[in-house]
Amino acid sequence: EADIYQTPRYLVIGTGKKITLECSQTMGHDKMYWYQQDPGMELHLIHYSYGVNSTEKGDLSSESTVSRIRTEHFPLTLESARPSHTSQYLCASSEEGQVSGYTFGSGTRLTVV
Amino acid sequence: KQEVTQIPAALSVPEGENLVLNCSFTDSAIYNLQWFRQDPGKGLTSLLLIQSSQREQTSGRLNASLDKSSGRSTLYIAASQPGDSATYLCAVGSGYALNFGKGTSLLVTP
Repeated sequence: EADIYQTPRYLVIGTGKKITLECSQTMGHDKMYWYQQDPGMELHLIHYSYGVNSTEKGDLSSESTVSRIRTEHFPLTLESARPSHTSQYLCASSEEGQVSGYTFGSGTRLTVV
Repeated sequence: KQEVTQIPAALSVPEGENLVLNCSFTDSAIYNLQWFRQDPGKGLTSLLLIQSSQREQTSGRLNASLDKSSGRSTLYIAASQPGDSATYLCAVGSGYALNFGKGTSLLVTP
């Protein structure tokens, strides 16, 4: 079944640790996105990609980095986690062009202690 | 920058009522608008997608309308059920990605 998967669902980690949030999709979508959502707040775009080897920063400044080596895989990395990184991170994908809708993963809830 | 506003922020209704959720956006140069549902601590489930050339879309008890010139969209939910309780998000496609509102938190009481 075509879908988009995020792992882990929940992560509690200590300050200073390096973490990678995984996102994979089986729909063959060229475009992929990372959004950050704090409780009760709107989603903010932090990274997006139009295809392999393409990555751009979004509207919200983030200390995280992303890579797109394969079409189906779009991981997000924090080199040194801080409590201010505590949030929910949502991955999404869409087809090429502007008319298709977005499909979202279930999200990763990150807590940095 | 596209600004998306959703009204009301929260809504509580008894089961069976019909209700309307509102979304407004500041820049009418959009290519589509998408309504999502989000359950607590979960990801987003797409409900309806309206292209900029369309006026409305329907799926079951849900109907979404789009008035691009006035920068407004509404989501109509007919015969609400307790299972409809969730946060409903409006997202506007413009520029390079979707821009989201803060959502309307809906509670349908039995």
